[in-house]
Amino acid sequence: DAKTTQPPSMDCAEGRAANLPCNHSTISGNEYVYWYRQIHSQGPQYIIHGLKNNETNEMASLIITEDRKSSTLILPHATLRDTAVYYCIVSSGGSNYKLTFGKGTLLTVNP
Amino acid sequence: KAGVTQTPRYLIKTRGQQVTLSCSPISGHRSVSWYQQTPGQGLQFLFEYFSETQRNKGNFPGRFSGRQFSNSRSEMNVSTLELGDSALYLCASSPVVSSTDTQYFGPGTRLTVL
Repeated sequence: DAKTTQPPSMDCAEGRAANLPCNHSTISGNEYVYWYRQIHSQGPQYIIHGLKNNETNEMASLIITEDRKSSTLILPHATLRDTAVYYCIVSSGGSNYKLTFGKGTLLTVNP
Repeated sequence: KAGVTQTPRYLIKTRGQQVTLSCSPISGHRSVSWYQQTPGQGLQFLFEYFSETQRNKGNFPGRFSGRQFSNSRSEMNVSTLELGDSALYLCASSPVVSSTDTQYFGPGTRLTVL
C-alpha cells in the first residue's frame, strides 16, 4: 500500500500557484519524498524530490514540514499543460527502482 | 539524449495468447523497471532488472516475466493472456549512480486483450 495520502482532485486557475499537499506521517528517516506527474495516458514524469530541506528546480518547489510528516508541491504559475495526476511517493535509497504509486491528485488547471 | 522507448505502442491480443513487449532505456541507464497501470489498480510495480538480473519483483503471477540484455534493453512477456491483463505497460530506466536515482518513464505500451 502507498504510504502517502493525497486529495483526489484539485482545481487551480491558470497563472496562479498550485499547491498540492501530501501526508506521509509514517515516513522513515532515510526516506525521500518524490513527486511525479502523469499527463493523460503518458508515462509518469519526475518533478522533484527532497529529504528534509525545501527544494526548488525549474519545474516546481517542494516544501517539507520540519517533522517531515507532510509536504507540499508548488507549481508557481500553473498553465493548462500542468493538468495531470500528481503522485507523491516516499522511497528510500535502493527502493527507487520499485516505486509504490498511490492514487495521486488530479490537478485541473482552468483557463 | 533520446528518452525511453517502448515498442509496440499499441497491441491487441486474444485470451490465451502470449505477448512480448520491448523497452530501450536511456543510453547509459542500467536499471529497467516495469509497471502495469489499470483503471482499477492504478500503477503497480512488476519487476526491475539491473545487469541482466532481476533485483526486485512485484506481486504478480508467474505468467509475467522479463529479462534484460547486456545492452540494458529489456523485454517483458505475458503468457496465457487474460482479459484482466489489458493495461498500459510502462517501462522506466534509471542510471544507478546514487541512492536518489529517479526513474525516467517511457510512453508505454497499451495492451488490449479480447
